[in-house]
Amino acid sequence: DAKTTQPTSMDCAEGRAANLPCNHSTISGNEYVYWYRQIHSQGPQYIIHGLKNNETNEMASLIITEDRKSSTLILPHATLRDTAVYYCIVRVDRISGTYKYIFGTGTRLKVLA
Amino acid sequence: DSGVTQTPKHLITATGQRVTLRCSPRSGDLSVYWYQQSLDQGLQFLIQYYNGEERAKGNILERFSAQQFPDLHSELNLSSLELGDSALYFCASSVGSKRGNEQFFGPGTRLTVL
Repeated sequence: DAKTTQPTSMDCAEGRAANLPCNHSTISGNEYVYWYRQIHSQGPQYIIHGLKNNETNEMASLIITEDRKSSTLILPHATLRDTAVYYCIVRVDRISGTYKYIFGTGTRLKVLA
Repeated sequence: DSGVTQTPKHLITATGQRVTLRCSPRSGDLSVYWYQQSLDQGLQFLIQYYNGEERAKGNILERFSAQQFPDLHSELNLSSLELGDSALYFCASSVGSKRGNEQFFGPGTRLTVL
Protein backbone atom coordinates (compact mmCIF):
# COMPACT_ATOMS: atom_id res chain seq x y z
CA ASP A 1 0.00 0.00 0.00
CA ALA A 2 1.03 3.59 -0.53
CA LYS A 3 2.46 5.34 2.49
CA THR A 4 2.71 9.03 3.25
CA THR A 5 5.46 10.64 5.32
CA GLN A 6 5.25 14.11 6.80
CA PRO A 7 7.39 16.14 9.19
CA THR A 8 6.03 16.05 12.71
CA SER A 9 5.89 19.79 13.22
CA MET A 10 6.64 23.15 11.61
CA ASP A 11 6.50 26.79 12.61
CA CYS A 12 5.59 29.67 10.31
CA ALA A 13 5.46 33.42 10.87
CA GLU A 14 2.09 35.05 10.45
CA GLY A 15 1.68 36.53 6.97
CA ARG A 16 4.37 34.35 5.46
CA ALA A 17 3.83 31.34 3.20
CA ALA A 18 3.66 27.96 4.92
CA ASN A 19 5.07 25.11 2.84
CA LEU A 20 4.13 21.66 4.10
CA PRO A 21 5.85 18.72 2.40
CA CYS A 22 4.62 15.17 2.01
CA ASN A 23 6.47 12.16 0.67
CA HIS A 24 4.38 9.49 -1.06
CA SER A 25 7.06 7.65 -3.00
CA THR A 26 5.02 4.45 -3.40
CA ILE A 27 2.03 6.18 -4.98
CA SER A 28 0.55 4.60 -8.10
CA GLY A 29 -0.29 6.39 -11.31
CA ASN A 30 -3.98 6.94 -10.66
CA GLU A 31 -3.95 7.58 -6.93
CA TYR A 32 -4.99 11.03 -5.79
CA VAL A 33 -3.32 13.06 -3.06
CA TYR A 34 -5.61 14.85 -0.62
CA TRP A 35 -4.91 17.38 2.10
CA TYR A 36 -7.08 17.90 5.15
CA ARG A 37 -6.45 19.77 8.35
CA GLN A 38 -7.68 19.27 11.90
CA ILE A 39 -7.96 22.01 14.49
CA HIS A 40 -7.77 20.59 18.00
CA SER A 41 -10.04 17.51 18.04
CA GLN A 42 -12.61 18.85 15.60
CA GLY A 43 -13.51 16.91 12.50
CA PRO A 44 -10.91 17.26 9.73
CA GLN A 45 -11.53 19.91 7.09
CA TYR A 46 -10.90 19.45 3.37
CA ILE A 47 -8.27 21.70 1.83
CA ILE A 48 -7.36 20.50 -1.66
CA HIS A 49 -6.61 17.44 -3.76
CA GLY A 50 -4.70 16.62 -6.94
CA LEU A 51 -3.45 13.89 -9.25
CA LYS A 52 -0.67 15.16 -11.51
CA ASN A 53 -1.06 18.85 -12.11
CA ASN A 54 -0.61 21.64 -9.63
CA GLU A 55 -3.86 22.81 -8.12
CA THR A 56 -5.00 26.04 -6.49
CA ASN A 57 -8.14 27.04 -4.68
CA GLU A 58 -9.14 29.79 -2.29
CA MET A 59 -7.44 28.09 0.63
CA ALA A 60 -4.17 26.77 -0.72
CA SER A 61 -2.00 25.55 -3.58
CA LEU A 62 -0.84 21.99 -4.13
CA ILE A 63 2.42 21.35 -5.96
CA ILE A 64 2.98 17.75 -7.07
CA THR A 65 6.39 16.74 -8.39
CA GLU A 66 6.58 15.37 -11.91
CA ASP A 67 7.39 11.87 -10.65
CA ARG A 68 4.49 12.19 -8.18
CA LYS A 69 6.63 10.91 -5.33
CA SER A 70 6.10 14.01 -3.24
CA SER A 71 3.90 17.06 -2.93
CA THR A 72 3.84 20.38 -1.10
CA LEU A 73 0.85 22.16 0.32
CA ILE A 74 1.27 25.93 0.29
CA LEU A 75 -0.73 28.30 2.45
CA PRO A 76 0.22 31.60 0.80
CA HIS A 77 -0.35 33.97 3.73
CA ALA A 78 -0.60 32.00 6.96
CA THR A 79 -2.76 33.39 9.76
CA LEU A 80 -3.06 32.36 13.37
CA ARG A 81 -6.25 30.48 12.47
CA ASP A 82 -4.21 28.19 10.22
CA THR A 83 -2.58 26.63 13.28
CA ALA A 84 -3.66 22.98 12.96
CA VAL A 85 -2.51 19.47 12.13
CA TYR A 86 -2.27 18.99 8.37
CA TYR A 87 -2.78 15.51 6.92
CA CYS A 88 -1.55 14.27 3.57
CA ILE A 89 -3.73 11.40 2.38
CA VAL A 90 -3.54 8.99 -0.52
CA ARG A 91 -6.49 7.05 -1.84
CA VAL A 92 -5.25 3.58 -2.73
CA ASP A 93 -7.29 1.88 -5.43
CA ARG A 94 -7.44 -1.90 -5.47
CA ILE A 95 -7.78 -4.24 -8.43
CA SER A 96 -11.14 -5.37 -7.02
CA GLY A 97 -12.48 -1.87 -7.63
CA THR A 98 -12.60 -0.90 -4.00
CA TYR A 99 -10.17 1.45 -2.31
CA LYS A 100 -9.04 2.81 1.00
CA TYR A 101 -7.57 6.05 2.33
CA ILE A 102 -4.08 6.08 3.81
CA PHE A 103 -3.38 8.93 6.23
CA GLY A 104 0.02 10.33 7.03
CA THR A 105 0.87 11.03 10.66
CA GLY A 106 0.24 14.73 10.08
CA THR A 107 2.29 17.91 10.45
CA ARG A 108 1.49 20.13 13.39
CA LEU A 109 1.75 23.66 11.97
CA LYS A 110 2.09 26.48 14.42
CA VAL A 111 1.65 29.99 13.06
CA LEU A 112 3.52 32.52 15.18
CA ALA A 113 2.43 36.12 15.68
CA ASP B 1 -20.84 23.46 11.08
CA SER B 2 -20.32 20.84 8.37
CA GLY B 3 -23.93 19.66 8.31
CA VAL B 4 -22.93 16.16 9.42
CA THR B 5 -24.31 15.15 12.80
CA GLN B 6 -23.06 12.41 15.09
CA THR B 7 -24.58 11.02 18.26
CA PRO B 8 -23.72 10.60 21.02
CA LYS B 9 -20.91 13.13 21.59
CA HIS B 10 -19.41 11.08 24.38
CA LEU B 11 -19.79 7.45 25.34
CA ILE B 12 -18.28 5.66 28.31
CA THR B 13 -18.62 1.92 28.56
CA ALA B 14 -16.88 -1.17 29.87
CA THR B 15 -14.77 -3.83 28.19
CA GLY B 16 -16.77 -6.56 26.53
CA GLN B 17 -19.75 -4.31 25.86
CA ARG B 18 -21.32 -3.31 22.56
CA VAL B 19 -22.13 0.22 21.41
CA THR B 20 -23.71 1.87 18.39
CA LEU B 21 -22.58 5.19 16.98
CA ARG B 22 -24.92 7.10 14.72
CA CYS B 23 -24.27 9.48 11.84
CA SER B 24 -26.56 11.64 9.73
CA PRO B 25 -24.95 12.89 6.53
CA ARG B 26 -25.39 16.31 4.96
CA SER B 27 -28.59 16.73 3.04
CA GLY B 28 -28.09 15.34 -0.46
CA ASP B 29 -24.92 13.37 0.31
CA LEU B 30 -25.07 9.70 -0.61
CA SER B 31 -21.70 8.55 0.75
CA VAL B 32 -20.87 8.03 4.39
CA TYR B 33 -17.39 7.29 5.73
CA TRP B 34 -16.23 6.16 9.17
CA TYR B 35 -12.83 6.95 10.67
CA GLN B 36 -11.11 6.12 13.95
CA GLN B 37 -8.62 8.47 15.60
CA SER B 38 -6.60 7.10 18.50
CA LEU B 39 -3.46 8.41 20.15
CA ASP B 40 -1.27 5.53 19.01
CA GLN B 41 -2.73 4.82 15.56
CA GLY B 42 -3.61 8.31 14.37
CA LEU B 43 -6.45 8.75 11.87
CA GLN B 44 -7.53 5.53 10.19
CA PHE B 45 -10.13 4.95 7.51
CA LEU B 46 -12.59 2.23 8.50
CA ILE B 47 -15.32 1.89 5.90
CA GLN B 48 -17.43 3.73 3.33
CA TYR B 49 -21.03 3.26 2.22
CA TYR B 50 -22.60 4.70 -0.89
CA ASN B 51 -26.38 4.77 -1.16
CA GLY B 52 -26.77 1.83 1.16
CA GLU B 53 -23.99 -0.36 -0.23
CA GLU B 54 -20.49 -0.94 1.07
CA ARG B 55 -18.06 0.77 -1.30
CA ALA B 56 -14.67 0.74 0.36
CA LYS B 57 -13.05 -0.91 3.32
CA GLY B 58 -10.04 0.04 5.37
CA ASN B 59 -8.60 -1.27 8.62
CA ILE B 60 -11.91 -2.19 10.18
CA LEU B 61 -11.81 -4.95 12.78
CA GLU B 62 -14.13 -7.94 12.51
CA ARG B 63 -15.68 -6.88 15.83
CA PHE B 64 -16.85 -3.69 14.12
CA SER B 65 -19.62 -3.44 11.56
CA ALA B 66 -21.51 -0.66 9.86
CA GLN B 67 -24.54 -0.13 7.72
CA GLN B 68 -26.29 2.65 5.86
CA PHE B 69 -30.05 2.80 5.99
CA PRO B 70 -32.54 3.82 3.27
CA ASP B 71 -32.77 7.32 4.76
CA LEU B 72 -28.96 7.44 4.33
CA HIS B 73 -28.07 7.70 7.98
CA SER B 74 -25.39 5.26 9.09
CA GLU B 75 -24.52 3.33 12.21
CA LEU B 76 -21.20 1.94 13.34
CA ASN B 77 -21.49 -1.02 15.70
CA LEU B 78 -18.57 -1.86 17.96
CA SER B 79 -18.75 -5.11 19.91
CA SER B 80 -16.62 -7.01 22.44
CA LEU B 81 -15.02 -3.71 23.26
CA GLU B 82 -11.40 -3.57 24.39
CA LEU B 83 -9.46 -0.81 26.10
CA GLY B 84 -7.68 -0.12 22.82
CA ASP B 85 -10.96 0.78 21.13
CA SER B 86 -11.03 4.03 23.09
CA ALA B 87 -10.82 6.72 20.43
CA LEU B 88 -12.56 9.51 18.57
CA TYR B 89 -14.81 8.13 15.87
CA PHE B 90 -15.58 10.44 12.99
CA CYS B 91 -18.21 10.17 10.35
CA ALA B 92 -17.91 12.06 7.08
CA SER B 93 -20.16 12.40 4.07
CA SER B 94 -19.78 13.37 0.44
CA VAL B 95 -22.02 13.77 -2.57
CA GLY B 96 -20.73 10.71 -4.36
CA SER B 97 -17.94 8.19 -4.17
CA LYS B 98 -15.67 9.38 -6.95
CA ARG B 99 -12.11 10.49 -6.42
CA GLY B 100 -12.00 14.14 -5.61
CA ASN B 101 -15.28 14.27 -3.73
CA GLU B 102 -14.75 16.56 -0.77
CA GLN B 103 -15.63 14.86 2.49
CA PHE B 104 -17.38 16.81 5.22
CA PHE B 105 -16.63 15.57 8.71
CA GLY B 106 -18.89 15.50 11.72
CA PRO B 107 -17.81 16.56 15.22
CA GLY B 108 -17.02 13.00 16.26
CA THR B 109 -18.03 10.63 19.05
CA ARG B 110 -15.50 10.15 21.83
CA LEU B 111 -15.60 6.57 23.05
CA THR B 112 -13.98 5.66 26.33
CA VAL B 113 -13.72 1.97 27.24
CA LEU B 114 -12.96 1.32 30.91
